[in-house]
Amino acid sequence: EAQVTQNPRYLITVTGKKLTVTCSQNMNHEYMSWYRQDPGLGLRQIYYSMNVEVTDKGDVPEGYKVSRKEKRNFPLILESPSPNQTSLYFCASSLGGAQGETQYFGPGTRLLVL
Amino acid sequence: AQKITQTQPGMFVQEKEAVTLDCTYDTSDPSYGLFWYKQPSSGEMIFLIYQGSYDQQNATEGRYSLNFQKARKSANLVISASQLGDSAMYFCAMSLSGTYKYIFGTGTRLKVLA
Repeated sequence: EAQVTQNPRYLITVTGKKLTVTCSQNMNHEYMSWYRQDPGLGLRQIYYSMNVEVTDKGDVPEGYKVSRKEKRNFPLILESPSPNQTSLYFCASSLGGAQGETQYFGPGTRLLVL
Repeated sequence: AQKITQTQPGMFVQEKEAVTLDCTYDTSDPSYGLFWYKQPSSGEMIFLIYQGSYDQQNATEGRYSLNFQKARKSANLVISASQLGDSAMYFCAMSLSGTYKYIFGTGTRLKVLA
């Protein structure tokens, strides 16, 4: 089954404790992206990747890191999480990232930073 | 600045009636794509419909149609014959071909009444 998976689905952590949210897709997609969703703000793009070793900042990259060492994986790293990073996070992928290509979303990761 | 605006935070519609969800966009790029996604209460993001900036015809997908008015920079979603299962949050989004960025609106929560 074609899908984007994220782990963990739910996470409670404390300020300053490094964490990684994994994202994996099995569709051989070149383009992958991370979003955060906050009430009243919609989804905002954090980082995206056009291919292996090629990443770029979205609109809200501060406090996040990403890496793309393999085509299928695109982990999101919070080196020192803060309470304002409490949010619902989505990973998404698409074939090539061109304007007409639909993104497929993972199920979301709900993060609470205390 | 590139932006998506959804001015209706919430809407009600009677079952079996049609409803229009508004979306306006702002970009100076000549090439862009417009998407609508549905997010039910379970949280997943479901692709509904796509319109390219150079497409002459309005996009349709089953009960969904996109009313694309390029001069007005609007991309309204029309849902015909509403069903109870259409109750969800709806997001309008834009992809920019030059930068591979995606921009989402703040969403419209639709409630279908029996």
